Amino acid sequence: RKEVEQDPGPFNVPEGATVAFNCTYSNSASQSFFWYRQDCRKEPKLLMSVYSSGNEDGRFTAQLNRASQYISLLIRDSKLSDSATYLCVVNSRAGGYNKLIFGAGTRLAVHP
Amino acid sequence: ETGVTQTPRHLVMGMTNKKSLKCEQHLGHNAMYWYKQSAKKPLELMFVYNFKEQTENNSVPSRFSPECPNSSHLFLHLHTLQPEDSALYLCASSQNAGRGLALQETQYFGPGTRLLVL
Repeated sequence: RKEVEQDPGPFNVPEGATVAFNCTYSNSASQSFFWYRQDCRKEPKLLMSVYSSGNEDGRFTAQLNRASQYISLLIRDSKLSDSATYLCVVNSRAGGYNKLIFGAGTRLAVHP
Repeated sequence: ETGVTQTPRHLVMGMTNKKSLKCEQHLGHNAMYWYKQSAKKPLELMFVYNFKEQTENNSVPSRFSPECPNSSHLFLHLHTLQPEDSALYLCASSQNAGRGLALQETQYFGPGTRLLVL
């Protein structure tokens, strides 16, 4: 089983739509969770951290369900500029050091 | 923009060539990373350096040789690569990759080197 699993998509949605991405992780000891965004042929950039109580940043809402080992990202009122690949990222500890495990990403295409 | 630069941005090399990738971070971080990103696959962590010491070698073949002369610079020396090594190689940095610290720590990525091995 992959450590971090995501639906690869693509999700094709019209401007203004609400879209949700899901992610599951296998390591129950993971403590930190993130969503990164990667534009085509660019590097990943942090979109937002995910906190246990859920958190919101403008049109973006992230949720965490530790019992189900499940993370979600909701984007409201989609913009053309939201088109990108969204990477689910989970912290893992190995040998006492923290490292990030990346999902393969979910591709979003927002069309006019 | 992110404070992490990588050179070259594109590289084409033959299987017998030797080349080096360079990464520099201007963020005052103590940890630096090499990742490999192949098409349709997740980022694969290759190496981690924390305060210039290698703390992770993720079963990377010896044809990839990292070097970290100081906390701001990271190199990846390439030798006798295979065509399947063609990928985007990303460097990243963070404040600290240390034990138990900064669980919410962000990694900042460079723009990557797109490598093609012929």
